[in-house]
Amino acid sequence: RKEVEQDPGPFNVPEGATVAFNCTYSNSASQSFFWYRQDCRKEPKLLMSVYSSGNEDGRFTAQLNRASQYISLLIRDSKLSDSATYLCAVNAWDYKLSFGAGTTVTVRA
Amino acid sequence: EPEVTQTPSHQVTQMGQEVILRCVPISNHLYFYWYRQILGQKVEFLVSFYNNEISEKSEIFDDQFSVERPDGSNFTLKIRSTKLEDSAMYFCASSEGQGARRGTEAFFGQGTRLTVV
Repeated sequence: RKEVEQDPGPFNVPEGATVAFNCTYSNSASQSFFWYRQDCRKEPKLLMSVYSSGNEDGRFTAQLNRASQYISLLIRDSKLSDSATYLCAVNAWDYKLSFGAGTTVTVRA
Repeated sequence: EPEVTQTPSHQVTQMGQEVILRCVPISNHLYFYWYRQILGQKVEFLVSFYNNEISEKSEIFDDQFSVERPDGSNFTLKIRSTKLEDSAMYFCASSEGQGARRGTEAFFGQGTRLTVV
């Protein structure tokens, strides 16, 4: 089983729509969770950390479900500029981030 | 806004040659990392560095790879004898802390695209 798994998509949504997707992780000792955004051939850019209580940053909401070992990202009122690959990253009690392969989101006009 | 900077942005090298990729982490960060991403694949961890020594490395980080912090600002990745399969985007990252506390988010540089021919 892969350490971190994501639905590759693509999720094709119209502007203004809501889109949500999950990321599952296999290591129950995982402690830190992050969503990164990656544009084509660019670096991962931190979108948000995911905290146990869930957190929101503008149109983006992240949730953590430890029992089922997944995190989620919801994007409300999608913009064309939200088109990107969203990477889930997980850290256990060590130094490395384990990344998923990413979920591609395409927002169309 | 402070950022991680990497040079060069693109490096082409012949198989068997040595390359050094350079990074300047964010100034108050204490943990430094190298990741790589082969085209079309996921971001993979190579190595982490803290307090002037390697704190963790992956299976990919074999004897051909080394890291160094030659001065107070630079952090380098050396590949001693490049192979075709080393062609990838190499990302440097840094973080203020490590573990499950807040402030451990890793910030990535813009990457060096290494092409081995």
